[in-house]
Amino acid sequence: DAGVIQSPRHEVTEMGQEVTLRCKPISGHNSLFWYRQTMMRGLELLIYFNNNVPIDDSGMPEDRFSAKMPNASFSTLKIQPSEPRDSAVYFCASSPGTGPMNTEAFFGQGTRLTVV
Amino acid sequence: DAKTTQPTSMDCAEGRAANLPCNHSTISGNEYVYWYRQIHSQGPQYIIHGLKNNETNEMASLIITEDRKSSTLILPHATLRDTAVYYCIVRVALGRDDKIIFGKGTRLHILP
Repeated sequence: DAGVIQSPRHEVTEMGQEVTLRCKPISGHNSLFWYRQTMMRGLELLIYFNNNVPIDDSGMPEDRFSAKMPNASFSTLKIQPSEPRDSAVYFCASSPGTGPMNTEAFFGQGTRLTVV
Repeated sequence: DAKTTQPTSMDCAEGRAANLPCNHSTISGNEYVYWYRQIHSQGPQYIIHGLKNNETNEMASLIITEDRKSSTLILPHATLRDTAVYYCIVRVALGRDDKIIFGKGTRLHILP
């Protein structure tokens, strides 16, 4: 398996534009997580899905952020409209979620977003 | 909020054992202790996890105190490539309550 795949790896956009980040989890994994990382705030959990259903989105900063998981092999994180303070590295992770001894989370390489 | 407390940074000489402590005094009975690390510019990487027994794998050993209020991650022979931020996390790790909350971690510097 190629691991968790995120695209794009880098995104530069102008303030006000819509940004869509994509994630392909590892096949067979039941849990998917979206994180944001900045120097100031560290790694923040934005939202996580279990069996394609959003379980906890309390970390989503505001209504400009939305996430979907239309099927088990794909998820998106959308920011509309984007703002300079959204600049960060966004990570996606997936986990088998089949029990406490099989719940290692695998992270993608991240998408570095710069909003100018 | 993260339920763990770790030192901000630590140094270790190359070839020596690196011992990274973590306090999790409010851990619940169904929560596991997980360790991840993040090497610069990469996504976090799983290292090891355990419930109450000590665990060992090819990367590290995890020592959990009997009262489960603290633990220590041991890298037996640290190399320069082990320089990273190490995160200690407590996690239910089951179904709908599964969340992975990262704290600030410990920045480990391996010195040549």
